[in-house]
Amino acid sequence: DAGITQSPRHKVTETGTPVTLRCHQTENHRYMYWYRQDPGHGLRLIHYSYGVKDTDKGEVSDGYSVSRSKTEDFLLTLESATSSQTSVYFCAISESGALSDTQYFGPGTRLTVL
Amino acid sequence: AQSVSQHNHHVILSEAASLELGCNYSYGGTVNLFWYVQYPGQHLQLLLKYFSGDPLVKGIKGFEAEFIKSKFSFNLRKPSVQWSDTAEYFCASRRGTGRRALTFGSGTRLQVQP
Repeated sequence: DAGITQSPRHKVTETGTPVTLRCHQTENHRYMYWYRQDPGHGLRLIHYSYGVKDTDKGEVSDGYSVSRSKTEDFLLTLESATSSQTSVYFCAISESGALSDTQYFGPGTRLTVL
Repeated sequence: AQSVSQHNHHVILSEAASLELGCNYSYGGTVNLFWYVQYPGQHLQLLLKYFSGDPLVKGIKGFEAEFIKSKFSFNLRKPSVQWSDTAEYFCASRRGTGRRALTFGSGTRLQVQP
């Protein structure tokens, strides 16, 4: 398995509170991604990063921000959590973004917003 | 925008039955295709991938998929399923140019009965 860890693995929080999820990789891969998984929707891209301090939005980025100050860490922040952000969040990494690239996924974080 | 459709949402099979899960993608240009599996409580794992060349792709655990460009399809097959194949299966695509993130289908839940 690729060296990807996510923290925390489970979190329960209240509406309106800020939440930060962390993805850490030991593979020195350039690309990192945040997806959310919801029943009936598969996985949807929130944000991704193509290098330190280089990030871009995905299809469901509203209400989320990201930061990447080091190659190995990619943080996802919910500035003011809402119940619609209750989901399972997966981080993924890929080496170079080349056509032959493959994404590898972390173990996920289950977030519940009450 | 590209999309991926998985028409079978829930499939129930007996052990030793043959499996075929449908996947259709919408993008007409160069495309990379993937099948991921998610066992209960676990993260996504790559089953197989298609980038170019032989349209019949073999993956891990006896799975294979066939890329049929004229039908925009990438169906997953296995000749004889086992109880341990019980999982959720996701088809994903990535355009050959532009952003490297994946577009996922909504998933197919496979239940194999002993």
